[in-house]
Amino acid sequence: QQQVKQSPQSLIVQKGGISIINCAYENTAFDYFPWYQQFPGKGPALLIAIRPDVSEKKEGRFTISFNKSAKQFSLHIMDSQPGDSATYFCAASKGGYSTLTFGKGTMLLVSP
Amino acid sequence: DGGITQSPKYLFRKEGQNVTLSCEQNLNHDAMYWYRQDPGQGLRLIYYSQIVNDFQKGDIAEGYSVSREKKESFPLTVTSAQKNPTAFYLCASTPSDVSGDTQYFGPGTRLTVL
Repeated sequence: QQQVKQSPQSLIVQKGGISIINCAYENTAFDYFPWYQQFPGKGPALLIAIRPDVSEKKEGRFTISFNKSAKQFSLHIMDSQPGDSATYFCAASKGGYSTLTFGKGTMLLVSP
Repeated sequence: DGGITQSPKYLFRKEGQNVTLSCEQNLNHDAMYWYRQDPGQGLRLIYYSQIVNDFQKGDIAEGYSVSREKKESFPLTVTSAQKNPTAFYLCASTPSDVSGDTQYFGPGTRLTVL
């Protein structure tokens, strides 16, 4: 049972373009939604996170959009750069003593 | 420097052998986690520990064992019972077990079974 579904599996974007990665969840008890960035051979690092009380959160070129009624959230990378080429994971967790459930990841390639 | 260290970076194992992966953190974090990463599979939780001398199974605990004798250390043993152990193993920690705390990841150990 996959509780967090992520799409697309891979994405190619031209430099300066907008990268969009989508995630959908099933469990309405989830209340924390982070995005992680992972470079080859490295551990993931937190990029940005959101809670359901807001519909959007922006940090620099990275924006999370959250749609509670549709149980979906997405990552937008504005002005994508070759250095953004990495694998991106969405995740979700419930309140209290809970663990993160990860999507399967999206490999992003930003072409020069 | 504060952070999470994992060793070794690469590990080779013969079939039938147990191996132990090290994870150490000097962040004074309470909770620690072990994940397995396979291509196209995302991160799957093996075990986690919220406090010293206590740990819980994750989604794929079969064939693995852990211990948490010290707050800063959470070693993972891959036993011979794990049928397909070749993968990238990631350790993580958080300041507490409360939802919303950032999980900080180590650099990972790549295990290959020969």
